[in-house]
Amino acid sequence: AQSVSQHNHHVILSEAASLELGCNYSYGGTVNLFWYVQYPGQHLQLLLKYFSGDPLVKGIKGFEAEFIKSKFSFNLRKPSVQWSDTAEYFCAVRGGSSASKIIFGSGTRLSIRP
Amino acid sequence: GAVVSQHPSRVICKSGTSVKIECRSLDFQATTMFWYRQFPKKSLMLMATSNEGSKATYEQGVEKDKFLINHASLTLSTLTVTSAHPEDSSFYICSARGDGPEQFFGPGTRLTVL
Repeated sequence: AQSVSQHNHHVILSEAASLELGCNYSYGGTVNLFWYVQYPGQHLQLLLKYFSGDPLVKGIKGFEAEFIKSKFSFNLRKPSVQWSDTAEYFCAVRGGSSASKIIFGSGTRLSIRP
Repeated sequence: GAVVSQHPSRVICKSGTSVKIECRSLDFQATTMFWYRQFPKKSLMLMATSNEGSKATYEQGVEKDKFLINHASLTLSTLTVTSAHPEDSSFYICSARGDGPEQFFGPGTRLTVL
């Protein structure tokens, strides 16, 4: 069965700092990988996804993530964060075929100091 | 992108009553729907997967008699929380997938049981 872990529970940064949120998954076969964001009081939004091809994936709002198969990782990055990036970030994995279910990591709360 | 709606967005009920939450795919046919539960400041936990016209598959530890799922059509799935108790208070999120690999999330329903 697939699983996903996010090691950072709460990250606090100043505006303009660079961001990297860790995500590691456990699954031996083909995976689809996702990053979702949940702004305070709002519902889940897809930031970016990886299905196949270029392992460096660019998403919305300046976010990107790199799939490193050898490390079973899919870390989220942003070169310069803004106060509006304050939110909860969830890494998610779907193992096997597209018929499989998406499993979420525990989430990382990102707080940006203005 | 495809749109998934949930109704109601918020519901407050008395302990012992049953509550039904609807999940609709508005512009596509959802062959598979997923129900998640999110506790405050926690991640999304998958409760069950339902395919149109067949019984739902529940995750380990989820009581099927407590959380009744019906996926009667390709655009509608319902989750009924039977004999609700305060510990059932949570944020319930549905997700739907059509023929492709994309999975689209609804805005969630906040259930408060008094």
